[in-house]
Parts: sequence; C-alpha cells; structure tokens
Amino acid sequence: DTGVSQDPRHKITKRGQNVTFRCDPISEHNRLYWYRQTLGQGPEFLTYFQNEAQLEKSRLLSDRFSAERPKGSFSTLEIQRTEQGDSAMYLCASSPAGQAGTQYFGPGTRLLVL
Amino acid sequence: QKEVEQDPGPLSVPEGAIVSLNCTYSNSAFQYFMWYRQYSRKGPELLMYTYSSGNKEDGRFTAQVDKSSKYISLFIRDSQPSDSATYLCAMSALANDYKLSFGAGTTVTVRA
Repeated sequence: DTGVSQDPRHKITKRGQNVTFRCDPISEHNRLYWYRQTLGQGPEFLTYFQNEAQLEKSRLLSDRFSAERPKGSFSTLEIQRTEQGDSAMYLCASSPAGQAGTQYFGPGTRLLVL
Repeated sequence: QKEVEQDPGPLSVPEGAIVSLNCTYSNSAFQYFMWYRQYSRKGPELLMYTYSSGNKEDGRFTAQVDKSSKYISLFIRDSQPSDSATYLCAMSALANDYKLSFGAGTTVTVRA
C-alpha cells in the first residue's frame, strides 16, 4: 500500500494557461475526492467519483474546471484559463468500499498562478 | 456561520503538556468525526476516526464526540515537538455522501 499519490507536487503557471493534475488513489479504493485548500483554511470539497462515475460537483467548481476518472483508477483535474484566484493546494483523497466515512489524503499539488 | 467551527489558535505548549483541541458543528446529520494532522505544505494525515458519540483512544491521542452538544475534542498527552503541526477536525454523513466538512485548523507548537 503506497498511499495516495499526486503529480505534480508544485505547479507555477501564468494566468490564462491550462493546467492538469493527476491523482492515483490507494489501490482498490472505489471513491476518490478532490478538495481545494487555501492558506489558513481547511480543505473544501470540489468533486468526487465512485469508480468511474462523477457523482457530485461543488458550486466552487466553475465551468473552467473538469475532472475525470477513466476506468475507475487514477483521476485528473484540469483547470482551463487559470486565474490568480485558482492559486491553492489541490488535494486528492480516496476511501475504500464500505468505509466511505474515512478518507486518506495525498500530498497535494500546490498551484501558483502568476 | 460556518458548518464547522474551530479555533485557529495558535496554541503553544511546553513539551510534555496535554494539548486540548476542539470543534463545534451545526449539522446534526454528521455521523463520522475525524482528526487530521497536517504539517506545513503537506497533505492531511488521518489521526483519529470516530463513528457517532463516544471516546476513542490510540496511544497518546484521545478523541471525544458529544453529539448532543455538537462538540468534538482531541487530546494529545505527553506532547512532543514532533506534534507541532496544524490539526484539522473533519466530519461527514451518509446524507451528504460522506463529503468531508473541515474546520479551519488549529496550529499547535510544542516547545522543547
């Protein structure tokens, strides 16, 4: 069990560029969540998948954000036309079937939009 | 008013002291209560997980949940400098598909 991994760990981009983050959950965890965390705040829910199905998107997730989880394994989160307000830590978490109340987080991707 | 309230601190204690952290919440549907530890620029690490009311102990850590008061606590005994981190409370419910609602986090420093 290698834990949840995320790539890249850091991303600096210019306003208006597109970025894509990847999350690899713990093997056999069927639920995968994305959260966003800004300085001094707790993480805020963005979206989640059960297997390959995206079941809910937060109102925080504007139409510039899209997430996928093909084949129910890894997930990607894409931000199009980045804005300075998108600067944050993007966290991925996974949970096993039957223990949906417990989520294990990855190290996060820290995004800075200049 | 936020769904989960947590005093951000900061909290500074001498090594060996008991650290006491707490959160209050407003959503009575919450069933699962967690404490995460987060070191600077790292992802949250699950420390304690409790279902419904009651106490749970794991080594130096004790988690308490009082659903009647909508109040949860985390106690760290014999605190060590390595316990210096931000502690986040989180909670979820079947009714909202287990999405975690977090407090803002309390920053703790244990002085050697």
